Amino acid sequence: EAGVTQFPSHSVIEKGQTVTLRCDPISGHDNLYWYRRVMGKEIKFLLHFVKESKQDESGMPNNRFLAERTGGTYSTLKVQPAELEDSGVYFCASSQERARGPNTEAFFGQGTRLTVV
Amino acid sequence: AQKITQTQPGMFVQEKEAVTLDCTYDTSDPSYGLFWYKQPSSGEMIFLIYQGSYDQQNATEGRYSLNFQKARKSANLVISASQLGDSAMYLCAMREGNFNKFYFGSGTKLNVKP
Repeated sequence: EAGVTQFPSHSVIEKGQTVTLRCDPISGHDNLYWYRRVMGKEIKFLLHFVKESKQDESGMPNNRFLAERTGGTYSTLKVQPAELEDSGVYFCASSQERARGPNTEAFFGQGTRLTVV
Repeated sequence: AQKITQTQPGMFVQEKEAVTLDCTYDTSDPSYGLFWYKQPSSGEMIFLIYQGSYDQQNATEGRYSLNFQKARKSANLVISASQLGDSAMYLCAMREGNFNKFYFGSGTKLNVKP
């Protein structure tokens, strides 16, 4: 079974440019999450999709970030325009939870390392 | 307030010895779950072990065990018989109640010496 895959694995862009990150969750997983880790800090939650709907986007830093999940399959996270402080590793995770509760693990992708110069 | 605290940025352990990685958490929700993930240099995050707030016994998975002290709000990971392949970043995380997002600690980088 394929795991969570993220594209690209690395991206280097100039300040002001646009970058789109993609996440393909495990097939059949309704829940998809985006997280990011900026240099020297802990991994922080960005947002959560249930199928194509945004369940929780409380972690999105500002309106330069736009996440979509059309059709409830893969998701994209666009940063436009990118700023230097957006550099970090962006992780995607997915899970299939049949009952609400805290005990379900999430499967993480390998992350996209974004460098804004 | 920090939800998850890992106070050991880096640790060294001799191969075949046991090591304890510290994790403390902060929540007022009676229902929560604690997770440990391993992150090798390749970047992937590998689930290791889970402990639920209502679990009576400490979780164990092979060489991994979780020393859960609820009153102290700690969930330390114990790795027995360390192997060179255990060298990685270890992340402690928590989920609360019916919310889905994880809170992560800053991680502990473990180096296993031959």
